[in-house]
Amino acid sequence: DARVTQTPRHKVTEMGQEVTMRCQPILGHNTVFWYRQTMMQGLELLAYFRNRAPLDDSGMPKDRFSAEMPDATLATLKIQPSEPRDSAVYFCASGPFERGGSYNEQFFGPGTRLTVL
Amino acid sequence: KNQVEQSPQSLIILEGKNCTLQCNYTVSPFSNLRWYKQDTGRGPVSLTIMTFSENTKSNGRYTATLDADTKQSSLHITASQLSDSASYICVVSAKQTGANNLFFGTGTRLTVIP
Repeated sequence: DARVTQTPRHKVTEMGQEVTMRCQPILGHNTVFWYRQTMMQGLELLAYFRNRAPLDDSGMPKDRFSAEMPDATLATLKIQPSEPRDSAVYFCASGPFERGGSYNEQFFGPGTRLTVL
Repeated sequence: KNQVEQSPQSLIILEGKNCTLQCNYTVSPFSNLRWYKQDTGRGPVSLTIMTFSENTKSNGRYTATLDADTKQSSLHITASQLSDSASYICVVSAKQTGANNLFFGTGTRLTVIP
């Protein structure tokens, strides 16, 4: 049963600390997405990759957020320094690339609940 | 501006009853529309996907409809069960490549009570 895995599932940290979230996409999927979800905003796309290359990270605050895919089995989202307003659930999703550019087939991980005090 | 609006924001129904959730969008050019179910503490899971030419699609007790002319979609849940309690998110994809082409609604929170 292939699924996206994310670690850690929960993270509590203090303002100013570095936070790293990890995602293992489904084997064979070549697109990876990072989302943030809050009660107020719903799901927001932060960044996405195709074949490990970043295609769009316009949803990410560039001064503190960074996303990478060191290899095909690992995607990371880092926040440095973290702030209380970063408190949210961060989801990773992966999917197969469809010719024509439709990225709508996505499989979500369980999320990382981040609390910044 | 490409937007997706869902209504109602929240809904409480009795177990066994039917309900309908609404999704209106202004996304253009339209590619497809997907409904996701998100249980508390979990990631969204896809329920249905519809393209421009499809008017209705079912997945068990879930039936989605699409009116591409009025840019409206609905998700009908029949004979609700306690396990249907979740948030339902409408996602519309635009026909464009090389850019962010996904637009998310903020969801409808459904609570089914015994």
